[in-house]
Amino acid sequence: EPEVTQTPSHQVTQMGQEVILRCVPISNHLYFYWYRQILGQKVEFLVSFYNNEISEKSEIFDDQFSVERPDGSNFTLKIRSTKLEDSAMYFCASSALMNTEAFFGQGTRLTVV
Amino acid sequence: KNEVEQSPQNLTAQEGEFITINCSYSVGISALHWLQQHPGGGIVSLFMLSSGKKKHGRLIATINIQEKHSSLHITASHPRDSAVYICAVSHGSSNTGKLIFGQGTTLQVKP
Repeated sequence: EPEVTQTPSHQVTQMGQEVILRCVPISNHLYFYWYRQILGQKVEFLVSFYNNEISEKSEIFDDQFSVERPDGSNFTLKIRSTKLEDSAMYFCASSALMNTEAFFGQGTRLTVV
Repeated sequence: KNEVEQSPQNLTAQEGEFITINCSYSVGISALHWLQQHPGGGIVSLFMLSSGKKKHGRLIATINIQEKHSSLHITASHPRDSAVYICAVSHGSSNTGKLIFGQGTTLQVKP
């Protein structure tokens, strides 16, 4: 069964460092998302991506964040200068069409120290 | 006020019990999703529905659009059902399909 894969599963980084979280969405999907979940809190929307551009972003998704689909298969989330409060589980998701079933990756647990 | 509210927040049941988790939302939606999150953190889609009722094995999901309410039922619960169950909605006015999440219901089923 096709699945969304995320790497790495866990990343520890020093405050101020850049991190790149990687995702391979399901191959024929057109809509891509990043969400995050701070420990003990609900899942929050970060950004949606369609047709090679950001279609919507939340207030959380400030200038420190960027997304890219560099090669037609990978979908990356970059945090330029990590802060302690960026520590969270980051989920990538994809769907074939808008408002169809969303498929989630297993998440990347980011710990900023 | 949260756009998606779930109840209860925590639920403990004995194996075999019938379980109901509720979700209320305050916005117009395109669809409602029920998701399962296991202790390892991964999220799995259980149902997506925009009307009526869906059933998959021991799981049943219903939605009442007029009342802006959905329920997830688990029949003959089993310890392996222990997980966090999350309700999420696709906002009706969004053209991106993003999901708005509830805070989740932590279910523990004891043998």
